[in-house]
Amino acid sequence: EDQVTQSPEALRLQEGESSSLNCSYTVSGLRGLFWYRQDPGKGPEFLFTLYSAGEEKEKERLKATLTKKESFLHITAPKPEDSATYLCAVLGPNDYKLSFGAGTTVTVRA
Amino acid sequence: SAVISQKPSRDICQRGTSLTIQCQVDSQVTMMFWYRQQPGQSLTLIATANQGSEATYESGFVIDKFPISRPNLTFSTLTVSNMSPEDSSIYLCSVWGHNEQFFGPGTRLTVL
Repeated sequence: EDQVTQSPEALRLQEGESSSLNCSYTVSGLRGLFWYRQDPGKGPEFLFTLYSAGEEKEKERLKATLTKKESFLHITAPKPEDSATYLCAVLGPNDYKLSFGAGTTVTVRA
Repeated sequence: SAVISQKPSRDICQRGTSLTIQCQVDSQVTMMFWYRQQPGQSLTLIATANQGSEATYESGFVIDKFPISRPNLTFSTLTVSNMSPEDSSIYLCSVWGHNEQFFGPGTRLTVL
């Protein structure tokens, strides 16, 4: 069974203080690793898909990287509007079901 | 990208009653997915709904408790039956787009 573990559970940052979120995964035959952002009371919003080790993707202050065992979401010079829960999910080889981690809740203070 | 709407956006219900949640997508899709997100938790897949066939339920979820309809390629409903306070959650509908899974805004259910 696919397993996804995110750390830390919560992260409190000062505006401008860069940091990284970790997503460790166990899946045989990874077809994709997905990052989502979720604001309170809303559905997850897609950020990135990574397919193979060494791949990197960027969007504004966010950069996602992938190795064979984990993914990192780097937040550079965060702003208060980056406050949200960030979810990681993996897609295995045999179906179209995503397995989600528990998420990291990021709070950025001005 | 796919645009997904859900109704209702939230509801407060009494234990023992049932609630039907609707999910509408702006394009035709083969598979639709229903997730549950309990307070402070991540997303758990309830079932996959294919048009023209019975839904496929994940371990721990049964059709009697969560009956699903899929009458066409743009619409699905999830019913939460005989509700208890433990069913208080956000229920999310989702579909695959080109290479990403899109989610609806969710239905926040509170059971008293």
